[in-house]
Amino acid sequence: GIQVEQSPPDLILQEGANSTLRCNFSDSVNNLQWFHQNPWGQLINLFYIPSGTKQNGRLSATTVATERYSLLYISSSQTTDSGVYFCAVDNTGFQKLVFGTGTRLLVSP
Amino acid sequence: AAGVIQSPRHLIKEKRETATLKCYPIPRHDTVYWYQQGPGQDPQFLISFYEKMQSDKGSIPDRFSAQQFSDYHSELNMSSLELGDSALYFCASSLGRAGNTIYFGEGSWLTVV
Repeated sequence: GIQVEQSPPDLILQEGANSTLRCNFSDSVNNLQWFHQNPWGQLINLFYIPSGTKQNGRLSATTVATERYSLLYISSSQTTDSGVYFCAVDNTGFQKLVFGTGTRLLVSP
Repeated sequence: AAGVIQSPRHLIKEKRETATLKCYPIPRHDTVYWYQQGPGQDPQFLISFYEKMQSDKGSIPDRFSAQQFSDYHSELNMSSLELGDSALYFCASSLGRAGNTIYFGEGSWLTVV
């Protein structure tokens, strides 16, 4: 099956700092989504981005499908950004998402 | 905007008991998915339904079954519960089976003691 690797596995930032999270995948994909799992366990959808670039406030994402990677940018980080960021992909065409192992982000005041 | 609704949010069961989780997808969404997330792990796909028919199957134990009803809500039934079934169970929904955002519910925490 498709392999999804995320880096870094852990990240500690001071409030206000910027960061880049990376997701590498081993095959072409039909779907790629970024999620934020908050400390209460909720999985919040950030972007649906199988290709191209999108921005939403302080967050933006870019997927280069031909090179099989995606990047999530967080600017001016806030303590509420803390949690685990997952990249999830599907290459079956049936939305059977395979999640990466996540990047655990801690933003300190 | 309406989200995916899951119930119950928390439940505690003893080994060998049965548990049922319910999921109400976003209105007009025709596809429902179930995922299981063990402690410290990433979510794993269990099963999906499209237009009330099973669409795809992942690593779902034979002790588990699920269905989607005529009103598009779905239920995940888990029998002969084991300690290893303790996990966060997510339901998700989307419009169509491909090429659209999948939205996740808040999850149901199952603890087996």
